[in-house]
Amino acid sequence: DAEITQSPRHKITETGRQVTLACHQTWNHNNMFWYRQDLGHGLRLIHYSYGVQDTNKGEVSDGYSVSRSNTEDLPLTLESAASSQTSVYFCASSPKTSVTSDEQFFGPGTRLTVL
Amino acid sequence: ILNVEQSPQSLHVQEGDSTNFTCSFPSSNFYALHWYRWETAKSPEALFVMTLNGDEKKKGRISATLNTKEGYSYLYIKGSQPEDSATYLCAPLGTGNQFYFGTGTSLTVIP
Repeated sequence: DAEITQSPRHKITETGRQVTLACHQTWNHNNMFWYRQDLGHGLRLIHYSYGVQDTNKGEVSDGYSVSRSNTEDLPLTLESAASSQTSVYFCASSPKTSVTSDEQFFGPGTRLTVL
Repeated sequence: ILNVEQSPQSLHVQEGDSTNFTCSFPSSNFYALHWYRWETAKSPEALFVMTLNGDEKKKGRISATLNTKEGYSYLYIKGSQPEDSATYLCAPLGTGNQFYFGTGTSLTVIP
């Protein structure tokens, strides 16, 4: 069955280290998204991509980067992890038919702790 | 940035009660609104995708309406069941084709 997976599911790292969170989908969806979820906030968009080689900054992109070299993967990199980036990270994807009418399919999430 | 408000933040109802939640957002620069259902220990799942003023969607006992002119959407659950317990998120699509999620309404249905 087609699916969207994230790895690792849990990660503990230290301040200043570079961390990469993986997101892989097998639906052949063109659109992929990274969100973070924190207490008191809704899901906040970090970066998104509407196709291979396309990346865009979201609402809270500082300190994060993404690259899209193929349809299936959108890895999220924290260049120099900070304690403020302790959060639960969700990846999502949607088909390319229309951003407005396409529902997003979410991965299981990655819980990241920065000490 | 689109300021999205959902109310109430949390709700406890008895099994069989009907209930409704509100999602409010600035009515300008609006393109679409999605509703998601998020159960504990799972990932959000889409409930409804709404794109037109006056849109009404229904799935079983759950329905939603959209008023783009005044900037709100309502989600209704008729005859709540324990399996309806979840957090319900709304996500308007705003400027730059970005979705802005609300903090959600947490519903607990007491058997």
